[in-house]
Amino acid sequence: GENVEQHPSTLSVQEGDSAVIKCTYSDSASNYFPWYKQELGKRPQLIIDIRSNVGEKKDQRIAVTLNKTAKHFSLHITETQPEDSAVYFCAASKGYSTLTFGKGTMLLVSP
Amino acid sequence: NAGVTQNPKFQVLKTGQSMTLQCAQDMNHNSMYWYRQDPGMGLRLIYYSASEGTTDKGEVPNGYNVSRLNKREFSLRLESAAPSQTSVYFCASSGGSEQYFGPGTRLTVT
Repeated sequence: GENVEQHPSTLSVQEGDSAVIKCTYSDSASNYFPWYKQELGKRPQLIIDIRSNVGEKKDQRIAVTLNKTAKHFSLHITETQPEDSAVYFCAASKGYSTLTFGKGTMLLVSP
Repeated sequence: NAGVTQNPKFQVLKTGQSMTLQCAQDMNHNSMYWYRQDPGMGLRLIYYSASEGTTDKGEVPNGYNVSRLNKREFSLRLESAAPSQTSVYFCASSGGSEQYFGPGTRLTVT
């Protein structure tokens, strides 16, 4: 089955810096790659996703890039703010099948 | 529109006790999922239901059973709870690719 590796497990940045979280996947047939944000004590919520027919997608301060050849995708957050502090999960799936999640990255943004 | 709801929010069980975690969604989604979340382990799929009347095992199904009662409701049952089942349990639903999560149930087994 699919295996998703996520790095780093913890990331500390200063407010205003950029943050990058990286994931690799094992199944070359996977074609949907979402990113979820989970604030402390809350439920995971989708923040951005990308499909395999697209190399990059942006939404204001967040962007996701996908390299199908290398089987890795990354989340980029620019101009980080304290409210970006949370755990971020990447995931992968084939079509509408089940998602396989990475183990998560705790992002800490210091004022 | 409540989205995905779960009951209870918190539960403490003794080893060997049984309980059912309830999940309901009002988004008319076909697919529903049960995950467990443990520190450093991410979200692991226990069972899922791709449509009313069907259920399938996920990555960590041992010790659990599920029932897709109707399109709205998907319950998770622990027949004989063990301390290893101490976790936060999330239910999710999906009508396409995006999954919508419930608020979670924090379960402690002593």
